[in-house]
Amino acid sequence: KQEVTQIPAALSVPEGENLVLNCSFTDSAIYNLQWFRQDPGKGLTSLLLIQSSQREQTSGRLNASLDKSSGRSTLYIAASQPGDSATYLCASSGSRLTFGEGTQLTVNP
Amino acid sequence: NAGVTQTPKFQVLKTGQSMTLQCAQDMNHNSMYWYRQDPGMGLRLIYYSASEGTTDKGEVPNGYNVSRLNKREFSLRLESAAPSQTSVYFCASSEYSGTSSADTQYFGPGTRLTVL
Repeated sequence: KQEVTQIPAALSVPEGENLVLNCSFTDSAIYNLQWFRQDPGKGLTSLLLIQSSQREQTSGRLNASLDKSSGRSTLYIAASQPGDSATYLCASSGSRLTFGEGTQLTVNP
Repeated sequence: NAGVTQTPKFQVLKTGQSMTLQCAQDMNHNSMYWYRQDPGMGLRLIYYSASEGTTDKGEVPNGYNVSRLNKREFSLRLESAAPSQTSVYFCASSEYSGTSSADTQYFGPGTRLTVL
């Protein structure tokens, strides 16, 4: 059974800092690895999808990497802003989508 | 283009009552999903429908039933609500059944359910 773990559970940084969120998974037989954002009281919004044959994906200030051999993915956020404050979830896609519990990010002005 | 919509947004039930959560998508997606989100447990799949006319159990199906009414709509029914079903319920849809490396899921805003 796939298990997805995210560290840290919570992170508080000052505005402007570059930061890295970590995601690990136990089964490397995945179709893709996805990162989502969830704002309080809202649904999930897809940020980045890395297909199993890819190593990384970029969207604006976000960069996600995937290392299947080590079972790890990272989400890099450059020049963080208060509007980046949210919970970030990673999910691995195998027979179904398996989610981590998320990292709650707070960016302080 | 509304994406994925869910009704109701909030609901309070008494133990033993029944209700149906509604979900609709306007993206012409083939697959639809129901999740529940609980503190410390993350998002867990309840049921999914890979295509119109088919439904399958997910990780936590007990106490729930689903209906894929047509390609757009996928409902979740609680026949006899229990306090353990207090949760936030999310519906999602995707173009494929999740076995494509390019497939991603689009989520609705959620239904916050409390069972007393």
